[in-house]
Amino acid sequence: GAVVSQHPSRVICKSGTSVKIECRSLDFQATTMFWYRQFPKQSLMLMATSNEGSKATYEQGVEKDKFLINHASLTLSTLTVTSAHPEDSSFYICSASLAGGEQFFGPGTRLTVL
Amino acid sequence: AQKVTQAQTEISVVEKEDVTLDCVYETRDTTYYLFWYKQPPSGELVFLIRRNSFDEQNEISGRYSWNFQKSTSSFNFTITASQVVDSAVYFCALRGSNYKLTFGKGTLLTVNP
Repeated sequence: GAVVSQHPSRVICKSGTSVKIECRSLDFQATTMFWYRQFPKQSLMLMATSNEGSKATYEQGVEKDKFLINHASLTLSTLTVTSAHPEDSSFYICSASLAGGEQFFGPGTRLTVL
Repeated sequence: AQKVTQAQTEISVVEKEDVTLDCVYETRDTTYYLFWYKQPPSGELVFLIRRNSFDEQNEISGRYSWNFQKSTSSFNFTITASQVVDSAVYFCALRGSNYKLTFGKGTLLTVNP
């Protein structure tokens, strides 16, 4: 149990385009989902926390207009990188949890912006 | 504020050696959880262990063992008789009362044949 999927696993896009990444909890309902960003050879940095049906809470320094997060259902959260630029190239990882519970991580999405 | 320090950036050992990965944490919470994750080259985080702040018992799982010492705010991870498949980045993490995970910078472990 506790499987979290992400789609796509890898995406390459041109500078200026927008990219949507999906995070799904496959066998449980996640009241909270988290989005992390990981640069090469660096740690995971929390970008935002999203609760189903409400606006995401962004960490300091994360542009909410740049990284749009939607958590429309208990099993799906999406991260849209708008007007992507090469510096947005990174590994994006989501996690899903029950209220106050364990976080289960997705396999990650590698974004490359040309 | 929470902080997790993994002072060892990279460790290289030869197969069958024992290796200990250090983790020191800071938190003002009295109730918190500590975690270790493994991240192989594929990138997917693999959960290894969770320990709550009230349980200082050491744990052993096969070749893996963990030493939690509240007095020194440390939660060290030892791999006994390391194998090439253990090569990965290992992250220590802390979850406090805000339910957010704070990760250390990770330790890259390379086990050479």
